[in-house]
Amino acid sequence: NAGVTQTPKFQVLKTGQSMTLQCAQDMNHNSMYWYRQDPGMGLRLIYYSASEGTTDKGEVPNGYNVSRLNKREFSLRLESAAPSQTSVYFCASNNRDRNQPQHFGDGTRLSIL
Amino acid sequence: AQSVTQLGSHVSVSEGALVLLRCNYSSSVPPYLFWYVQYPNQGLQLLLKYTSAATLVKGINGFEAEFKKSETSFHLTKPSAHMSDAAEYFCAVSPWGTASKLTFGTGTRLQVTL
Repeated sequence: NAGVTQTPKFQVLKTGQSMTLQCAQDMNHNSMYWYRQDPGMGLRLIYYSASEGTTDKGEVPNGYNVSRLNKREFSLRLESAAPSQTSVYFCASNNRDRNQPQHFGDGTRLSIL
Repeated sequence: AQSVTQLGSHVSVSEGALVLLRCNYSSSVPPYLFWYVQYPNQGLQLLLKYTSAATLVKGINGFEAEFKKSETSFHLTKPSAHMSDAAEYFCAVSPWGTASKLTFGTGTRLQVTL
């Protein structure tokens, strides 16, 4: 089982460039999430999608947009990348209405110069 | 509002020794609680979860945690550390009834020495 797949795994951008991080899950989950992980700060929720067709802001949404393309896919877009967005980004999914724990992808390591 | 505090950003134990990783939570409603493990360059993997059933929860790889409401704690333990346990461990909390709005602690890096 692939679980949650994130692409790309690594990316280097210049300040001001745009970028879309892709996430796909094959577990038929209805909810999907984007987090960022920074040293000493744990994971912080950027955006989430409770179900297909809905998205909501998390704790740190500024500078990001998301698209729930279909039930399987949830993308995160940086329109104008800034050095403060250098981080490791994780996508997760679960069936929220069944109180299942979240399953995580392996992450995208993004550096912005 | 909910929050999680993990005491000790780094913990070092000898192989075969007891592992104790501390987690205290704050929540205005009864919580769900989780421990995740992260190995280098990987995502987070669920170790165990508390969702208001038994207060002593057993997880994978020999880990367990006890929910103590009076102490607002959910400490993670393992009787005998193995080299393969070296990783970063995250405690997380969500409101009771949903595993969606997770709030994570800042993590504890476990080092296991010979």
